[in-house]
Amino acid sequence: GEDVEQSLFLSVREGDSSVINCTYTDSSSTYLYWYKQEPGAGLQLLTYIFSNMDMKQDQRLTVLLNKKDKHLSLRIADTQTGDSAIYFCAENRGGGYNKLIFGAGTRLAVHP
Amino acid sequence: EAGVTQFPSHSVIEKGQTVTLRCDPISGHDNLYWYRRVMGKEIKFLLHFVKESKQDESGMPNNRFLAERTGGTYSTLKVQPAELEDSGVYFCASSRSLANYGYTFGSGTRLTVV
Repeated sequence: GEDVEQSLFLSVREGDSSVINCTYTDSSSTYLYWYKQEPGAGLQLLTYIFSNMDMKQDQRLTVLLNKKDKHLSLRIADTQTGDSAIYFCAENRGGGYNKLIFGAGTRLAVHP
Repeated sequence: EAGVTQFPSHSVIEKGQTVTLRCDPISGHDNLYWYRRVMGKEIKFLLHFVKESKQDESGMPNNRFLAERTGGTYSTLKVQPAELEDSGVYFCASSRSLANYGYTFGSGTRLTVV
C-alpha cells in the first residue's frame, strides 16, 4: 500500500534521547527523509539518507535505516525543549520527479 | 535567498464558496509542488509543476481543484466550490532541480471550510 507509518506521539524528558520510528513501504525508494514542523512554521528538512546507507550522523541526529525491514529511525541525542515539534518521515518513490510519500507525523513533546 | 511564500496563512470560508491559495517559490526554482495535510493525517502530494507545465497531477482529489502556474513563476490553487473535507493545511514547495535531497517548503495555508 501507500502508507508510511509512524507512531503519533512521543514524550521525553529534557536531556534524554528521543527515538522516532517509521516504517515505509517501497523497497525501491531511493531517499528517505526526516522533516520537522514547528508550530506555525513550514516543513524543515532535518536530514536525509540514501537507500544504500545504513546510518547517517549529523551532530545530535542519528538516522538508522534497515532496508530489509523497511524501517527508518531518527535519534535525537540530548533532547532540548526546542526540539518539540512534529517530525515527518518521508520516502522518495523515485521515477525522477521527487514525489514524496509522508507519514502522519510524530509529535515530540519535551518536558523538564 | 527568500524562502517559499504562501498566502494567506489562514482562510476560513463557508461551504460552497471559492478560495484561491497562492505560492511564490524561490526565485529560479523551476519545480513547484503542492501538498496538503488533512485532519492531522499524513501529508499528501497533490501535484508538481515544471515551469508552467503540470508534470504530475495524480494527487489532485477531484475537479473542484484547479492549479495554475502561468509564466512559470508563482502558482495558485483554487478550490471551487469548497467542501468541508477540503479543510486542512496546504503546503507548497519548490526546488531548482530534481535533486533528491529534498526541497524547500513554505509555511502552509490553513484552510477551514465551515
